[in-house]
Amino acid sequence: DAGVTQSPTHLIKTRGQHVTLRCSPISGHKSVSWYQQVLGQGPQFIFQYYEKEERGRGNFPDRFSARQFPNYSSELNVNALLLGDSALYLCASSLLGAGTGELFFGEGSRLTVL
Amino acid sequence: RKEVEQDPGPFNVPEGATVAFNCTYSNSASQSFFWYRQDCRKEPKLLMSVYSSGNEDGRFTAQLNRASQYISLLIRDSKLSDSATYLCVVNPGGSSASKIIFGSGTRLSIRP
Repeated sequence: DAGVTQSPTHLIKTRGQHVTLRCSPISGHKSVSWYQQVLGQGPQFIFQYYEKEERGRGNFPDRFSARQFPNYSSELNVNALLLGDSALYLCASSLLGAGTGELFFGEGSRLTVL
Repeated sequence: RKEVEQDPGPFNVPEGATVAFNCTYSNSASQSFFWYRQDCRKEPKLLMSVYSSGNEDGRFTAQLNRASQYISLLIRDSKLSDSATYLCVVNPGGSSASKIIFGSGTRLSIRP
């Protein structure tokens, strides 16, 4: 069975540009969460979507937005990129809400902002 | 005080050694606890949940001390393949991922 898939795996952008990251959860999983991980830190929560509704938002500026589609895949959008947005962006899926803590992560999208 | 704190390490131990590290959490109402493993430039993967009575999975033992608000991970007979960063994860409760908090991780390096 396919795990969580994310695309693109690597990308380079310049300041001020926009980026869209995509995630397909494990088949049957209805919850998708997005995390930002900078070097040397643990993942920081950005968004959670469950059944296409936003269920949580982390402490990130409005430049960050996300949505979930009817097939439960998800997109994370970041506008007006800053150098500090350079990070590994992880998508995690879970069967129900994420409260059980068993999150299945994709390999991530590594974003570099120049 | 951070909500979840871990010693960043690195812990550098010889193969075959026993190594243990702790993770402290600030929210006394936290309900569930986990250890994740993250290899270099890879995604985190669930290693084990941490139960109130403590639990063991092969060479790995996880324990919870609610009174002192910490969880621990013990690795016995360490292998080269155990080299990774170990992330402590705390869920204060509920089904929302927004409440799940990851520690910054403890880096473990096993030397031959």
